[in-house]
Amino acid sequence: GEDVEQSLFLSVREGDSSVINCTYTDSSSTYLYWYKQEPGAGLQLLTYIFSNMDMKQDQRLTVLLNKKDKHLSLRIADTQTGDSAIYFCAETMNTGNQFYFGTGTSLTVIP
Amino acid sequence: ETGVTQSPTHLIKTRGQQVTLRCSSQSGHNTVSWYQQALGQGPQFIFQYYREEENGRGNFPPRFSGLQFPNYSSELNVNALELDDSALYLCASSLGWSATDTQYFGPGTRLTVL
Repeated sequence: GEDVEQSLFLSVREGDSSVINCTYTDSSSTYLYWYKQEPGAGLQLLTYIFSNMDMKQDQRLTVLLNKKDKHLSLRIADTQTGDSAIYFCAETMNTGNQFYFGTGTSLTVIP
Repeated sequence: ETGVTQSPTHLIKTRGQQVTLRCSSQSGHNTVSWYQQALGQGPQFIFQYYREEENGRGNFPPRFSGLQFPNYSSELNVNALELDDSALYLCASSLGWSATDTQYFGPGTRLTVL
């Protein structure tokens, strides 16, 4: 479970939807997470999904999980300039909360 | 504001030196994890402590060591610093160490090794 991959950059216009994708390798991961990192700040937990779920919605955020393809996505509806940040997906190592993080996707929102 | 603080904010050391980074967890959080985030990369798990005992370790050499104290503070020590140790070091605290225990990250310590 050490290869968690993400595309490096994403640019969207304010008000559009953003979709950030992630592929992971460890099928035994019980939870998968999305974190946000703004410059000079630590990692902020956005949402997480249990591995037996396909989808989770939380206000503007929708997480989709395809276990067969080991693919996770985060959709941000009505993207705002304050959403500009680096987004990391993370998988847990078995049942603990020790994480493997992806490489991060830098989201730029154009006004 | 996660209630997790780290010190110092920035640090510059030279190759071969030793460094101690500090983290203050949320009160009541028995678990602290440390991560190394190189520039342009995602955080990599170094190790985790639960109730002052090491509870798991990533792929880091023994010159990376840690301590956790009863007052919810912890330290990351790195001996014989190498240039590649330059990174942002993040600590995260949680109540426990199961996957359902949310981790709260500190703002990090930026270490530069010259």
